[in-house]
Amino acid sequence: AQSVTQLDSHVSVSEGTPVLLRCNYSSSYSPSLFWYVQHPNKGLQLLLKYTSAATLVKGINGFEAEFKKSETSFHLTKPSAHMSDAAEYFCVVREAAGNKLTFGGGTRVLVKP
Amino acid sequence: DAGVTQSPTHLIKTRGQQVTLRCSPKSGHDTVSWYQQALGQGPQFIFQYYEEEERQRGNFPDRFSGHQFPNYSSELNVNALLLGDSALYLCASSSRDRGFQPQHFGDGTRLSIL
Repeated sequence: AQSVTQLDSHVSVSEGTPVLLRCNYSSSYSPSLFWYVQHPNKGLQLLLKYTSAATLVKGINGFEAEFKKSETSFHLTKPSAHMSDAAEYFCVVREAAGNKLTFGGGTRVLVKP
Repeated sequence: DAGVTQSPTHLIKTRGQQVTLRCSPKSGHDTVSWYQQALGQGPQFIFQYYEEEERQRGNFPDRFSGHQFPNYSSELNVNALLLGDSALYLCASSSRDRGFQPQHFGDGTRLSIL
């Protein structure tokens, strides 16, 4: 069975400083991995996806993530946080045998001015 | 290009009642998945529909059922509502021809059970 663990439930950063959101996954197969963002009272927006091509994946709004198979990690980073980045972020793994998405518990990001 | 649309946006029901939630997929998509997101948690997969049939199901009781129509829109039905069914219900659409990924999400229906 696959699972996703987001190592921080809350992250607080100052505007203009780097953001790091940590994610570890467990999967029996070569996984497809995603990061989604959810702003208050909104649905989920895809930030980026990894599907066994380049291990460093660039997404929207300056976010990127690095797939490390040896560490079973898929951490999300952004060099400089913006106030609009305040939201909840979900690391997601796709089941290889089907199309079910399994979500981590989420990391809430607070950006201080 | 309209994205995924869900209706209603909010709904209040009482225990024991039944509810129907609706979803129209993004233009060009033929597959719909439903997720339940309890407060403070990540979404959990309920089931997926394509070609008007349920193709995959998560760990949810039979009180949760669905339907997909020929125009690819979908309904989620929940019977005998419990307090624990209070959640944000998210619909996601995708294209079978593109390997069902990525999934595009609607803004959800917030269901409150009194």
